Amino acid sequence: SYVLTQAPSVSVAPGKTASVTCGGNNIGTKSVHWYQQKPGQAPVLVMYYDSDRPSGIPERFSGSKSGNTATLTISRVEAGDEADYYCQVWDSSSEFVFGTGTKVTVL
Amino acid sequence: DVQLVESGGALGQPGGSLRLSCAASGFTFSSYSMHWVRQAPGKGLVWVSRINSDGSAADYADSAKGRFTISRDNAKNTLYLQVNSLRAEDTAVYFCAREGVVGRHYMDVWGKGTTVTVSS
Repeated sequence: SYVLTQAPSVSVAPGKTASVTCGGNNIGTKSVHWYQQKPGQAPVLVMYYDSDRPSGIPERFSGSKSGNTATLTISRVEAGDEADYYCQVWDSSSEFVFGTGTKVTVL
Repeated sequence: DVQLVESGGALGQPGGSLRLSCAASGFTFSSYSMHWVRQAPGKGLVWVSRINSDGSAADYADSAKGRFTISRDNAKNTLYLQVNSLRAEDTAVYFCAREGVVGRHYMDVWGKGTTVTVSS
């Protein structure tokens, strides 16, 4: 089955830039979507199709992909960005797959 | 407002059954594929199942095949998940989610979830 690997945690100071990565075999051929989940809350879609932002998501959130890695970048990090972030793809054999999740901590 | 509200979560006995529901409002429910995603305590998101807009086709994660059944009633704007032969590892928060525009393969609206606990 298809596997998406994320670093367990990322720490960043307020005002700095956080990069959340998502690795998977041939991920370059797949569309990657990203979700933010705060404790006790439902996930929220923050990026779709690699780099498209849903309405209401700040421009500080951006997405990219290169080689076997997709990246969600959060610029000018704020305390309110502290959350778990999950990448997700659709794989024709494994259907819908979520990454292992990255906890972003704002120092 | 677009909204999904799950219900039906409960304390279930191993080997028992539960039916989860998800009531949709604020959008044309019958136009969208729908999903169930679960999250065990302290763990990550795991996709469970998807059903297409008219209910004629469903897909399941390997871990859900054989014990889980997804269904929908478009007249009632409601999504269901039947879980049989409950196991301790089914303990989780179960979220329903709307898939984006047909074939877009992402989930753009989520409910707050309903909690299933399996224990004797």
